[in-house]
Amino acid sequence: DAKTTQPPSMDCAEGRAANLPCNHSTISGNEYVYWYRQIHSQGPQYIIHGLKNNETNEMASLIITEDRKSSTLILPHATLRDTAVYYCIVRVALSGNQFYFGTGTSLTVIP
Amino acid sequence: KAGVTQTPRYLIKTRGQQVTLSCSPISGHRSVSWYQQTPGQGLQFLFEYFSETQRNKGNFPGRFSGRQFSNSRSEMNVSTLELGDSALYLCASSGGQGIETQYFGPGTRLLVL
Repeated sequence: DAKTTQPPSMDCAEGRAANLPCNHSTISGNEYVYWYRQIHSQGPQYIIHGLKNNETNEMASLIITEDRKSSTLILPHATLRDTAVYYCIVRVALSGNQFYFGTGTSLTVIP
Repeated sequence: KAGVTQTPRYLIKTRGQQVTLSCSPISGHRSVSWYQQTPGQGLQFLFEYFSETQRNKGNFPGRFSGRQFSNSRSEMNVSTLELGDSALYLCASSGGQGIETQYFGPGTRLLVL
């Protein structure tokens, strides 16, 4: 089952950085952290993933603590279109693809 | 590349009927996973198919089944529909090898009356 803990909701002012935390204290050494977001009733959209090092792409940055027990997704300049539910997922270290989604964080970007 | 496509997008059925949903993965992807999303249970993994074989299965009753064709397209079937099967059904595709990113389709919204 889901191995992550996220705050249920957050607000962020438009243009400011949105920092979404995730706790995954039981993560194993070979398990990746993935972030997806879901805008109302659409399919989840991939954002970023990482194993140990911090990662950055055109959408966001992922900061993983040294002990790997938590991570933060950073949207550098939030826009209204970033309003969505954000899911932090620890990929189960099994063969095949099997993602366990938690309840996520509902981010509201405020004008 | 075209994304993951799902058909139909919306469906209304009555209790006791069966339904078949279709998913076409991204070209070149060999793994297709299915998920059910409901307000009460959130996003739950149903099963994954890779090279026409079920590779992983979630905790759903046998009424939920699937298959994958040689072109990697996948179908899922729900028999003897119940009101609780009303949900958004999502499929996701990936290459199928190792640790990979899954890309989701828009989903099929099923309403059971």
